Amino acid sequence: TQLLEQSPQFLSIQEGENLTVYCNSSSVFSSLQWYRQEPGEGPVLLVTVVTGGEVKKLKRLTFQFGDARKDSSLHITAAQPGDTGLYLCAGLPMEYGNKLVFGAGTILRVKS
Amino acid sequence: DAGVIQSPRHEVTEMGQEVTLRCKPISGHNSLFWYRQTMMRGLELLIYFNNNVPIDDSGMPEDRFSAKMPNASFSTLKIQPSEPRDSAVYFCASDQTGRSSGNTIYFGEGSWLTVV
Repeated sequence: TQLLEQSPQFLSIQEGENLTVYCNSSSVFSSLQWYRQEPGEGPVLLVTVVTGGEVKKLKRLTFQFGDARKDSSLHITAAQPGDTGLYLCAGLPMEYGNKLVFGAGTILRVKS
Repeated sequence: DAGVIQSPRHEVTEMGQEVTLRCKPISGHNSLFWYRQTMMRGLELLIYFNNNVPIDDSGMPEDRFSAKMPNASFSTLKIQPSEPRDSAVYFCASDQTGRSSGNTIYFGEGSWLTVV
């Protein structure tokens, strides 16, 4: 059982559409992060959210940390083919200290 | 700046052989992590070091797996003997702990291991 449950697992959309990826847990996290991974490469950090209720924007990407610090979402507006990749949420559970745990990931494909 | 450097990038080996994966973390980073990624299980933390000391190795799957960090700039992950189910991408990552905004972990490009 994953400590962080991501949904959906796969997403195939047309260029220009909006999408949201969810990351949920029953555990409380001191921080949550979102990574993007392209084939043949390691994950690259997109954002870190620390405060419950926090919202961060990175161009067309909006990240939100739940009030209770148990969940997060990633929303992409007007998706582009360059957004294609594996999106991973990761977090530091309060009880595990410095042990970053990852969700299973969401494979996003944006078709032109 | 050089990122996390891993070698080899790709390795194909026969079952039963010893495999050694190498990692050079980013200079100045004092935490190092070994992760394994598979389609079935996603990214799993195998072990992490802080200041060259293993802190948590609960993710190491079996005694066949061992990891060392003899100094701040080098770590190895060894599998002996290797088995086909060890086939995966092994990532090394490093970070500079103590940052109040949460860890920013930098990943290497991974070592793609295939055991036949």
